Amino acid sequence: GNSVTQMEGPVTLSEEAFLTINCTYTATGYPSLFWYVQYPGEGLQLLLKATKADDKGSNKGFEATYRKETTSFHLEKGSVQVSDSAVYFCALRGYNQGGKLIFGQGTELSVKP
Amino acid sequence: GAVVSQHPSWVICKSGTSVKIECRSLDFQATTMFWYRQFPKQSLMLMATSNEGSKATYEQGVEKDKFLINHASLTLSTLTVTSAHPEDSSFYICSARGPGTSGNEQYFGPGTRLTVT
Repeated sequence: GNSVTQMEGPVTLSEEAFLTINCTYTATGYPSLFWYVQYPGEGLQLLLKATKADDKGSNKGFEATYRKETTSFHLEKGSVQVSDSAVYFCALRGYNQGGKLIFGQGTELSVKP
Repeated sequence: GAVVSQHPSWVICKSGTSVKIECRSLDFQATTMFWYRQFPKQSLMLMATSNEGSKATYEQGVEKDKFLINHASLTLSTLTVTSAHPEDSSFYICSARGPGTSGNEQYFGPGTRLTVT
């Protein structure tokens, strides 16, 4: 079945450091890929998405490229801020799966000033 | 736009009682709503998918008689945890999507923290 694997956290960085959170997936066909962010005490918010191979999703300085050859969708940001501290979830939506999202286990990011 | 609310945001109940959680789409018609469960520092696990006016489709391993889901209107779905026990304590999150949402995406509520004592 479809699945998503993320790098384990927590990840602790200093402000302005470069961020990479790895995400790989297993899926049949051509899934859509997503990154969601969950700030403390809040629900999930869509951060970015990509719906086909080689698409790059971007938002708020974050980027991720849909790599079909490596089945990856790694999240990157060139310079993190304290306000980026949150839990980040990689997710996929399989083709013809009724819109169901399958989430990775989440990666907690803590950015120190 | 595409705001989803949940009520209550947190609830404490005694073991053996039932508790109802509401999920509302505030500015769009939610033809489909999803209910997730999230354990501390873990991922979201899909419990069930509900389409307006239809019975919910439960994921494998989820007890449909324990977690009753009703999606009676295009803006409201409810999850009732019946005869709750401490192991049901968790963070319950709903999401919704509909024809008015961008790219048919799911929009998430803020979650409800249930504690069963």
